[in-house]
Amino acid sequence: AQSVTQLGSHVSVSEGALVLLRCNYSSSVPPYLFWYVQYPNQGLQLLLKYTTGATLVKGINGFEAEFKKSETSFQLTKPSAHMSDAAEYFCAVSDNYGQNFVFGPGTRLSVLP
Amino acid sequence: DAGITQSPRYKITETGRQVTLMCHQTWSHSYMFWYRQDLGHGLRLIYYSAAADITDKGEVPDGYVVSRSKTENFPLTLESATRSQTSVYFCASSGGGGNTEAFFGQGTRLTVV
Repeated sequence: AQSVTQLGSHVSVSEGALVLLRCNYSSSVPPYLFWYVQYPNQGLQLLLKYTTGATLVKGINGFEAEFKKSETSFQLTKPSAHMSDAAEYFCAVSDNYGQNFVFGPGTRLSVLP
Repeated sequence: DAGITQSPRYKITETGRQVTLMCHQTWSHSYMFWYRQDLGHGLRLIYYSAAADITDKGEVPDGYVVSRSKTENFPLTLESATRSQTSVYFCASSGGGGNTEAFFGQGTRLTVV
């Protein structure tokens, strides 16, 4: 069975500082990995995804993520945090058929002025 | 409008009543999903559907019923609402194939009193 863990339910950074959110997964098949963002009272919006190929993937709003198979990790980063980045971030893994998305518990990002 | 829409956005119901949450997508995606989001639990899959007339249970299906007579619609029914079903419910759809993401609706906040 697939599972996803995210280190830290709440992360605080200062505006302009590096954002680093950690995600580890378990999957019996080559994974497809996703990061989603959720703003208050809204649905989830895709930030980026890893399917195959390059292990460093770029997403929207200046975010990027690195897939490390040996560490079963999919780490999300942004070089410089902006106040508008404050939101809940979810890591997810999908199977080969896209019929089973498993989400991590989420990390709430606060950006301090 | 193109996309995935949920209705209603907010609903208050009484214990024991039947309530149906609606989900409609315009992309003709094969897969559709219902999740509930609760503090401390992240998103948990209730039911999913691979195509019209094909549905399957997810992680937390008890107390819920789904149907999918048309590809674009995937209603979720709480047959006899309980307070433990107070939650935010998200519908999502995906084209399938593993490398495609899930697209989320705006959510329905359901309160059972």
